[in-house]
Amino acid sequence: KQEVTQIPAALSVPEGENLVLNCSFTDSAIYNLQWFRQDPGKGLTSLLLIQSSQREQTSGRLNASLDKSSGRSTLYIAASQPGDSATYLCALTSASKIIFGSGTRLSIRP
Amino acid sequence: GAGVSQSPSNKVTEKGKDVELRCDPISGHTALYWYRQSLGQGLEFLIYFQGNSAPDKSGLPSDRFSAERTGGSVSTLTIQRTQQEDSAVYLCASSQKSGPETQYFGPGTRLLVL
Repeated sequence: KQEVTQIPAALSVPEGENLVLNCSFTDSAIYNLQWFRQDPGKGLTSLLLIQSSQREQTSGRLNASLDKSSGRSTLYIAASQPGDSATYLCALTSASKIIFGSGTRLSIRP
Repeated sequence: GAGVSQSPSNKVTEKGKDVELRCDPISGHTALYWYRQSLGQGLEFLIYFQGNSAPDKSGLPSDRFSAERTGGSVSTLTIQRTQQEDSAVYLCASSQKSGPETQYFGPGTRLLVL
């Protein structure tokens, strides 16, 4: 059974810092790994999608990596801004379902 | 273009009542998913529809939960005889295909069972 873990559960950093969020999983038989952000009271916003055959994806200040052999993915956020404050979720898709981690609650201090 | 929409945005009901939650996926998307997020928990997969295939119901927590998708578009999630533990945000997502594809989420329905 696939288990997805995100560490840390919460993170607070000053504005401008670079930071890394971690996601680990137990079953490497995945189609893809996706990073989302969730703002309070809102739905999910998809950030980056890494296909199973890929190692990383980049979008603006965000970079996500995938290492299936070690069961890990990282989300790197460069030059963090207060607007980056949200809960970040990683999700793994296998077959027809998508399994989410419990998220990292990120707070960027001005 | 129009995204995934869900209604109602909020629903308060009494224990034992039935509720229906509606999802309108993005036009042309053949795959539709229902999830729920309970307070303090991660997202939980409930059910998945792909075209005219039989849905994947493996995530439904009990037989009080059911969902249908009419005409390959709009979906309704029904919860019968609601319990307090059913209180959660129910999210719907759609995607163009069933394989490696980004899912687009709706804003969710916040359900509170008193």
